[in-house]
Amino acid sequence: AQKVTQAQTEISVVEKEDVTLDCVYETRDTTYYLFWYKQPPSGELVFLIRRNSFDEQNEISGRYSWNFQKSTSSFNFTITASQVVDSAVYFCALSERNRDDKIIFGKGTRLHILP
Amino acid sequence: GAVVSQHPSRVICKSGTSVKIECRSLDFQATTMFWYRQFPKQSLMLMATSNEGSKATYEQGVEKDKFLINHASLTLSTLTVTSAHPEDSSFYICSARTGALSNQPQHFGDGTRLSIL
Repeated sequence: AQKVTQAQTEISVVEKEDVTLDCVYETRDTTYYLFWYKQPPSGELVFLIRRNSFDEQNEISGRYSWNFQKSTSSFNFTITASQVVDSAVYFCALSERNRDDKIIFGKGTRLHILP
Repeated sequence: GAVVSQHPSRVICKSGTSVKIECRSLDFQATTMFWYRQFPKQSLMLMATSNEGSKATYEQGVEKDKFLINHASLTLSTLTVTSAHPEDSSFYICSARTGALSNQPQHFGDGTRLSIL
C-alpha cells in the first residue's frame, strides 16, 4: 500500500491564482512526521515544512500554508497568489518512528505556473 | 543552518566504471546518513541507511554489492556505484541526520546526476 499519495500528477495554473496540492498518508504509527519539499528543475530538494503527528495546528509562512488533518490523514499545501518561480515538483513525505524515521516520499506533483 | 555537501554534482562516465559519490555534513556531526535514488520524473526512493562505524542497511531490492556504502566518519559517507551500467544512470541524493533521535531533522545534499554511457 502506498504510504504517501499525491493524486495530482501535474497541475497548471495561471500566475496569481491560488493552488492546493493534496497529500494523503497512511500509517499505523502514532508518532510520525510529515514533510513538504520543493524540487526545482535544478534538482536540489528544498525543505518547506516538517510537522509532527502531535501538532495539528495549521501553519502559514508567507504565501505558503499547510492544512494538517489527522481525521482524514491529509496534509495539504496551498500556495496563495502563485508566482512563476513556484514552478517545480513538490513532494509530500512521511517518516515513522517505528520505521527508523526513514523518509518515504510521495510521487510528487509537478506544478506549472503560467505567466 | 545545517549544510550537507554532495560531490560531484554531475558525472558522466563509460559503462563498467566505478563511481564514488561523497556526502559530507559541513557543520554538524551526522551519525546517520541516507542515500536516495531518483529516476527521471519519478519520486525519490530510499536505497540505504548509513550509520557511522557500522554496515549500511539496504532497502529491499537494492544490491549491496553494486552500491557500496562507507560511513567512516561522523561527517562523511560515500556511495560507490560499482561497474556502472546505463541503467544505473540516475539522480542520487544523500541526507544527513544531526543525531540518533527521531526528532532530529534530515538535511539533504544537492544531489549527483550520474550518466553512464
